Amino acid sequence: AQSVAQPEDQVNVAEGNPLTVKCTYSVSGNPYLFWYVQYPNRGLQFLLKYITGDNLVKGSYGFEAEFNKSQTSFHLKKPSALVSDSALYFCAVRDHMRDMRFGAGTRLTVKP
Amino acid sequence: NAGVTQTPKFQVLKTGQSMTLQCAQDMNHEYMSWYRQDPGMGLRLIHYSVGAGITDQGEVPNGYNVSRSTTEDFPLRLLSAAPSQTSVYFCASSSALGGPGNQPQHFGDGTRLSIL
Repeated sequence: AQSVAQPEDQVNVAEGNPLTVKCTYSVSGNPYLFWYVQYPNRGLQFLLKYITGDNLVKGSYGFEAEFNKSQTSFHLKKPSALVSDSALYFCAVRDHMRDMRFGAGTRLTVKP
Repeated sequence: NAGVTQTPKFQVLKTGQSMTLQCAQDMNHEYMSWYRQDPGMGLRLIHYSVGAGITDQGEVPNGYNVSRSTTEDFPLRLLSAAPSQTSVYFCASSSALGGPGNQPQHFGDGTRLSIL
């Protein structure tokens, strides 16, 4: 069965600095990888996905993620963080079956 | 655009009561899912459906039932509420375009359920 791990519960970064939110995965076949963001009292919103192709995936709000097959990682990145990026971020993996497995989430705080 | 609509937004139940959480989507998506979100555990899949009349169990199905009589609706039933079912419940839908797992899910804003 597939699984995903987010090793950091909390990430703090200053506004304007680059940010990275880490994710590692485990699947038996080719992974479908996703990043979602959750704001308070809201559902998850899709940021970006990796299905196949280029290892660097660009998504919404200036976010991007790098797929690394050898390290089984899919880290979320942004060159310059904004205070409004503060939220809960979830990595998810979905293999050729239909269900999706989520990480426990990483709370990102961007300080002015 | 309504997207995925969940009702109610909040609910308090007593142990042993039953209730149905409603979920409706207006995007004609084939796939629909129910998740529960608990602190420090991310989202866990309860049940999912790949089309009308077809449902299957996810990671944590015990104590919950689902049905999918139409493409639009996917209600979740708690048969006999227990305090361990206190959680935030999210419904999600996605297109089957490109095959299973290829498309992102669209989430409702959740139902916050407390079982006393």
